[in-house]
Amino acid sequence: NAGVTQTPKFQVLKTGQSMTLQCAQDMNHEYMSWYRQDPGMGLRLIHYSVGAGITDQGEVPNGYNVSRSTTEDFPLRLLSAAPSQTSVYFCASSQTHYPPYNSPLHFGNGTRLTVT
Amino acid sequence: TQLLEQSPQFLSIQEGENLTVYCNSSSVFSSLQWYRQEPGEGPVLLVTVVTGGEVKKLKRLTFQFGDARKDSSLHITAAQPGDTGLYLCGGANFGNEKLTFGTGTRLTIIP
Repeated sequence: NAGVTQTPKFQVLKTGQSMTLQCAQDMNHEYMSWYRQDPGMGLRLIHYSVGAGITDQGEVPNGYNVSRSTTEDFPLRLLSAAPSQTSVYFCASSQTHYPPYNSPLHFGNGTRLTVT
Repeated sequence: TQLLEQSPQFLSIQEGENLTVYCNSSSVFSSLQWYRQEPGEGPVLLVTVVTGGEVKKLKRLTFQFGDARKDSSLHITAAQPGDTGLYLCGGANFGNEKLTFGTGTRLTIIP
């Protein structure tokens, strides 16, 4: 029972490079989301999706793109990496559109990204 | 943007002691969740509270949702080293697909 799988676990980028953080879930969850976690700032929502073909912005979307072509996958793209994007990134999924009411968020184990 | 503030930011206590951590907001939330995160892992849900004044117990952990649904507390009785971790509260409103997280309390239980 894999749950939410994130790859890679660690990544170092140079300023200006682009990359894609992968997220896959095997629970047939409708809702998927990306958060970044920085010291003293908790988890901040980047983008989320309530189903295949549907995405929306969260609290801190600038510099990131997402797409949802399948129920299982929700990749996060950094278009031109900046040092301010150094963070730990978490992908989370939930069974329904409204996670707090009907089901919890299931998190992956994160990707630690460093931009130099 | 609705903000959630958690206090204290850091807490270090001896095994066997009791403790309370807080999650406060100036906004009303329809529901509030508590998660625990261990190093190198993602957060894991502990509890969801949805009714003002609601109290839920999970073994030695007691969660309370404020009457006005603006605040919540987590009380741990007889803390154990296994309770060590980052505790996060997350609030949401019905019809809103976003869960807003607090800043977290990093708890260390000293054996």
